[in-house]
Amino acid sequence: GAGVSQSPSNKVTEKGKDVELRCDPISGHTALYWYRQRLGQGLEFLIYFQGNSAPDKSGLPSDRFSAERTGESVSTLTIQRTQQEDSAVYLCASSLDRGASYEQYFGPGTRLTVT
Amino acid sequence: AQSVSQHNHHVILSEAASLELGCNYSYGGTVNLFWYVQYPGQHLQLLLKYFSGDPLVKGIKGFEAEFIKSKFSFNLRKPSVQWSDTAEYFCAVNIGYGGSQGNLIFGKGTKLSVKP
Repeated sequence: GAGVSQSPSNKVTEKGKDVELRCDPISGHTALYWYRQRLGQGLEFLIYFQGNSAPDKSGLPSDRFSAERTGESVSTLTIQRTQQEDSAVYLCASSLDRGASYEQYFGPGTRLTVT
Repeated sequence: AQSVSQHNHHVILSEAASLELGCNYSYGGTVNLFWYVQYPGQHLQLLLKYFSGDPLVKGIKGFEAEFIKSKFSFNLRKPSVQWSDTAEYFCAVNIGYGGSQGNLIFGKGTKLSVKP
């Protein structure tokens, strides 16, 4: 079946502009996660959604970052007034439910470059 | 804050050599442990996981990992690597019973290059 998809695959933007990244999780997966990976670093948790519960935003690095999810489907991660340090690969993952018992399936990522 | 350390940034081996990649985590409570692999041009995928029970877990493609609680370690091993094992390997932790926190905490990754 279809895996997690993300768009765009690559995004180059100028410093100060806003960007929107999209994630389509696997159908039926109630949990959705956003991570980012900066060059030479591990994946860094940003935010996660579980069903209709309030999202866990504890990993968002600043108030320029926000994310939304429509029900149990598409999610968008928005970065306002982008900075060069926002350059990274942004990865989305989904799982059938929250918790370690449920494998997280990762998308291919969006490579964001802020010039 | 909880963290995961992977000791090696880049490991280069010849085919048939044995592999051990180190992973240590800093959390004193219940943990769930994972190794993920990212082959060139592919998505990150789960290699193996440990929740409880036998501390030696076996994963796909002949990989195994051993959880040593006293050392806060979860090292990945393979007795004989193949060229197709060339990839980046990430150790990850999910804290709390049943993974109640949800999100994974990742190490920085280890690139493995296997020479044919």
